[in-house]
Amino acid sequence: KQEVTQIPAALSVPEGENLVLNCSFTDSAIYNLQWFRQDPGKGLTSLLLIQSSQREQTSGRLNASLDKSSGRSTLYIAASQPGDSATYLCAATTDSWGKLQFGAGTQVVVTP
Amino acid sequence: DAGVTQSPTHLIKTRGQQVTLRCSPKSGHDTVSWYQQALGQGPQFIFQYYEEEERQRGNFPDRFSGHQFPNYSSELNVNALLLGDSALYLCASSSQGGAFFGQGTRLTVV
Repeated sequence: KQEVTQIPAALSVPEGENLVLNCSFTDSAIYNLQWFRQDPGKGLTSLLLIQSSQREQTSGRLNASLDKSSGRSTLYIAASQPGDSATYLCAATTDSWGKLQFGAGTQVVVTP
Repeated sequence: DAGVTQSPTHLIKTRGQQVTLRCSPKSGHDTVSWYQQALGQGPQFIFQYYEEEERQRGNFPDRFSGHQFPNYSSELNVNALLLGDSALYLCASSSQGGAFFGQGTRLTVV
């Protein structure tokens, strides 16, 4: 059974610092890995999708890497801003039908 | 493109009652999945619908049931509500480009 872990559970950084968020998964046979952002009480916003054949994806200040052999993905957010404060969730797609297995998330606070 | 829409946004029900939540998928998506998210936890997979059939199911009791309509919209029904069913219920539609989520329905059981 696929298990996804995100450490740390919470993180606080000053504005301008780079953020590094970690995600680990136990079964390397994933179809893809997706990073989401969640604001309090809201739904999930998709940030980046990395296909299993890819090593990384980039969108603006966001960069996500995928290392299937070690069971790890990392989300980098450059030059953090207070508006980046949210919970970040990673999810591994465990089958061709798109079922997602989520981590518990990392709650990020960026202080001005 | 309206994206994934869910209704209602908030709901309060009494133990033992039944509830129906609704979801319209993103345009062009034919697969709808439902997730339950308890406070402070990641979403847990409930079930997935494709071509009006339940294609796969997570570890949830039969009190949780669903339906998909010909226009791909979907409903989640929960019978005999328990206090532990209080959660944010998320609907996702998916394609090769990944999963897209709605804003969720916050269900409170009292």
